[in-house]
Order: sequence, then structure tokens, then C-alpha cells
Amino acid sequence: GDSVTQMEGPVTLSEEAFLTINCTYTATGYPSLFWYVQYPGEGLQLLLKATKADDKGSNKGFEATYRKETTSFHLEKGSVQVSDSAVYFCALTISNFGNEKLTFGTGTRLTIIP
Amino acid sequence: NAGVTQTPKFQVLKTGQSMTLQCAQDMNHNSMYWYRQDPGMGLRLIYYSASEGTTDKGEVPNGYNVSRLNKREFSLRLESAAPSQTSVYFCASSFGQGLRSNQPQHFGDGTRLSIL
Repeated sequence: GDSVTQMEGPVTLSEEAFLTINCTYTATGYPSLFWYVQYPGEGLQLLLKATKADDKGSNKGFEATYRKETTSFHLEKGSVQVSDSAVYFCALTISNFGNEKLTFGTGTRLTIIP
Repeated sequence: NAGVTQTPKFQVLKTGQSMTLQCAQDMNHNSMYWYRQDPGMGLRLIYYSASEGTTDKGEVPNGYNVSRLNKREFSLRLESAAPSQTSVYFCASSFGQGLRSNQPQHFGDGTRLSIL
């Protein structure tokens, strides 16, 4: 079945450090890939997405590139801020005409210290 | 701009009690989903509804039932709560129906449920 493996946390970085959170996937067919973010006490919000190989999703300074050859979708940001502290989830979906079920990774908790 | 609204936000139940979690969306989405979130396990799909009038089991359906009351509302019922159902429950919705595939899901803020 489909699965997502992401970097185990927690991850603690200093403000302005470079961030990478690794994500690899296994899927039958051609998935779309997503990064969701969950701030404390809130639901998940879409951060960025990519729907086909070599697509780059970007938002709020975060980027991730859909690499079919390595089945990866690593999340990066050049200079993190305290406000980026949250849990990040990598996810995939294979659209099946009304069944757009998401398969999530286990989440990576990120803490940025000033 | 409410998006996905879940009620209640918190609930404590005793083992064996029943309860219904409510979810409503105002985005005219076709598909709706219920997930549970447990430490170290990410989100797992309980049930989903691809369109009004249809429901299907997800990864962890045992002990739950759902009702797609209309296009806006999708409820999750625990008939006889068990401590293993202590979790944070999230409802989500998406456009669905393959018309705009790969559209993201929009999530509610969650219901934190404790079963004693």
C-alpha cells in the first residue's frame, strides 16, 4: 500500500538556521504530494503541494521538489523563524474520482529557538 | 469565512458512553473525512464520504459510525466509547469527485476526546 516516511523529530534549530525535513514515499501510480503544518492547538493547514514529477511547491519561504527518481519530497527553508515552530506532516494522495484519501507521515515537530 | 467547523472542542466520556462529534463545512465541498491523531502515528483515516449519500471505511473504522447528513455535515459517532478511542479527532473536506483532482483537504481545529 501507499506510505509516507518522514524524518523523525523533534528537530530544534536556532533562528535563521537552514531547515530540511526529509520525506520519502511509496505509492502505486502517480501521487500528488503535500506538506501540511499544524500550529499548537489548531488543525492542519496546507503549506505547499506538487502534483507531478519535478514540480516545486513553495509558500512562506518553504520549498519542496517532487523527485520521482528518488521518491522524495523534502521540505526546505533557508532561514527559519520562531513563528515556524509547529508540527509538519508530509502526505500523498492518489486521486480516484471522489476518493482523495490522504496518507500521512507521522509528523516532525520543529522548535525554533531565538 | 468559517471553513470547517467541529463541535465540541473538548469532551470527557466514561467507558461505555456514546457520543456524536459534529462537523460542518461551508465551502461547498463534495468530499468529507474523519481522522484521528495519536502521538507518533500521524493522522489515520477513520471514515470518509466521497459525496453526499455515500460513506466508506478508512484505515481504522472499528468502533465508529458516520452519517453524511447533507452536503455540509458529516458526523462521527462512538456508540460505546473505549479508552483506546482517546485521541484528537479531525474533520476535513475537499472538492473531490475527480473534477478537480489533487485539491487539498481543509481541516477543522479538532476535537480532543478523553475516555476514562
